[in-house]
Amino acid sequence: GAVVSQHPSRVICKSGTSVKIECRSLDFQATTMFWYRQFPKQSLMLMATSNEGSKATYEQGVEKDKFLINHASLTLSTLTVTSAHPEDSSFYICSAREGKGHQETQYFGPGTRLLVL
Amino acid sequence: AQTVTQSQPEMSVQEAETVTLSCTYDTSESDYYLFWYKQPPSRQMILVIRQEAYKQQNATENRFSVNFQKAAKSFSLKISDSQLGDAAMYFCAYRSAWNSGYALNFGKGTSLLVTP
Repeated sequence: GAVVSQHPSRVICKSGTSVKIECRSLDFQATTMFWYRQFPKQSLMLMATSNEGSKATYEQGVEKDKFLINHASLTLSTLTVTSAHPEDSSFYICSAREGKGHQETQYFGPGTRLLVL
Repeated sequence: AQTVTQSQPEMSVQEAETVTLSCTYDTSESDYYLFWYKQPPSRQMILVIRQEAYKQQNATENRFSVNFQKAAKSFSLKISDSQLGDAAMYFCAYRSAWNSGYALNFGKGTSLLVTP
């Protein structure tokens, strides 16, 4: 199957700093990518839908000014956590959509563990 | 909004035995997709099986099969001949077919323990 990478896999930062997480589709083009957040022992919660060449669509309750998403190319979406605080510590997972209609499949990245001190 | 319910927070099965994980969902749509994903301790999401709602035949993938009951809005996963490597969190997920830009809507997950 297709491969999606995320970088970094782990990051520790101080409160108040910004952190950028990259999501790349390695062997296919993805016009749409999704960003999820997963707290310990919980499910994946959709944060935003990232569309290449246009603004991201954020879920209710997700601050777009805090979680900046840029989908500048068909293989790369970035999530920047601005002015991170300890409550932003979580596991962030991206997925990329390949194909259309009944052939569509979403492939997940390996996730990024963020710890804000 | 569609909701996905997994009523079993934890399940346990003995190696080589069969286990069934439950999932129900709520939707007013007629065309959609259902998925089971596995999340091992590495936390990498792995697609186990998918079902298109317009297909009456239940999907199967080797030791994994589903029981899709569209009228009852039920989508259970059966794992046959369980192996130690099957131990993981299992998430049921729903995706609308109307808009291909829709993300997956996940249930809360079932933690599967496989004992020797």
